Formats: sequence, structure tokens, C-alpha cells
Amino acid sequence: KQEVTQIPAALSVPEGENLVLNCSFTDSAIYNLQWFRQDPGKGLTSLLLIQSSQREQTSGRLNASLDKSSGRSTLYIAASQPGDSATYLCAVRGTGANNLFFGTGTRLTVIP
Amino acid sequence: NAGVTQTPKFQVLKTGQSMTLQCAQDMNHNSMYWYRQDPGMGLRLIYYSASEGTTDKGEVPNGYNVSRLNKREFSLRLESAAPSQTSVYFCASDIRRTNTEAFFGQGTRLTVV
Repeated sequence: KQEVTQIPAALSVPEGENLVLNCSFTDSAIYNLQWFRQDPGKGLTSLLLIQSSQREQTSGRLNASLDKSSGRSTLYIAASQPGDSATYLCAVRGTGANNLFFGTGTRLTVIP
Repeated sequence: NAGVTQTPKFQVLKTGQSMTLQCAQDMNHNSMYWYRQDPGMGLRLIYYSASEGTTDKGEVPNGYNVSRLNKREFSLRLESAAPSQTSVYFCASDIRRTNTEAFFGQGTRLTVV
């Protein structure tokens, strides 16, 4: 069974700092990897989708990379803002499964 | 621009009561899913529907039933609620269940007392 791990579980940074969130997965046979944002008491908002054939995807201040062979992905957030405070979830879709497998998330706090 | 809509947003049930969580998507997606989110755990799949007319069990199906009413709607039913089913439930959809982006609803926070 696919296992997804996100480190750290929580992160607090001052506004303006660049930061990296980590995601690792145990089975490299994946279709894609998706990063989500979840605000307290809210649903999941899709941030970036990386297909298994891609190395990275960018959207604004966000950049996600994928190293499928080593089972790792990173989400880079540039020039962090207080509005970036949320929980960030990583999920992979395996080739042998019908669903996404989720990590437990990294709770990010950006201090003004 | 609704995307995936879930109702209700909050619900409190007594042990043994039944209820149905509703989900509808307006993106013409083929596949729909129900997940539950519990503290300290990643989202886990309860049931999914690859296309209209089909449903399959996920990782944690016990105590639940589903109905894919049509292409837009996928409901989750708790026949006899138990405290262990206290959770946040999310509905999701995508075009197909391989290499496409998944979209999620806002969630239903269910408490069983």
C-alpha cells in the first residue's frame, strides 16, 4: 500500500521568507502527484498537479518538483505572506489504485 | 462556478440514526469519490464511482453505502451511525481516475454522539 509522509508536520516562518515543504512516497508507480491547500474548517483547494513524466510545475509563487525514482516531491513557496498560512497536503495517485493517497499535511504559519 | 457541492456542511447525529450526505458536481466529471478525514491521519477513501452506474469500495467502506444517482450526483449513506464515524467527509471528482486533477467539495463535519 502506498504510504505518503510529509515533513515537517508544522512550520512557522516570518513573512517574506522562502520555504520548502517536503513529501515522500513509498511506491514510485504513480500517475501524478497533487498539492492541495486546506484552510481551517474548509475544503481542499488544488494548487499544483505534476504528472509522472514531469519534473516540476509552477504557479505564481509556488513551484512543485517531482523525483519519481526517489519517491520525493517538494513544494517551494517564494516570498511567503500571512495569507499563505494553511495546511498543505500532498497526494499521489498510484497506477494500481483508483484514488489519491494523502499525507497528513504540513501546517504552515507565516508571521507578519 | 460551483465545482463540487456538498450538503449539509454540519450535522450532529445520535448513535443509531441514519443520514445521507449529498454531493453534486457540475464539471461533467466521470469519477466521483467519498473520503473521510480524521485528526492525525491522511484522507482515506470510503467509496468511489468510476462512472455513472458503477461503485466500488475503498479503504474504509464498513458502515457506509453509496449511490451514484446520475453523472452529477454521488451520495453517501450512514445506515446506523456510530461514534467512530465522527469525521469530516469530503466528496471529490475528476474526469477519469488516472492522470487528471481532482477537485474537492467543502466538506461535511459530522458528529455522532
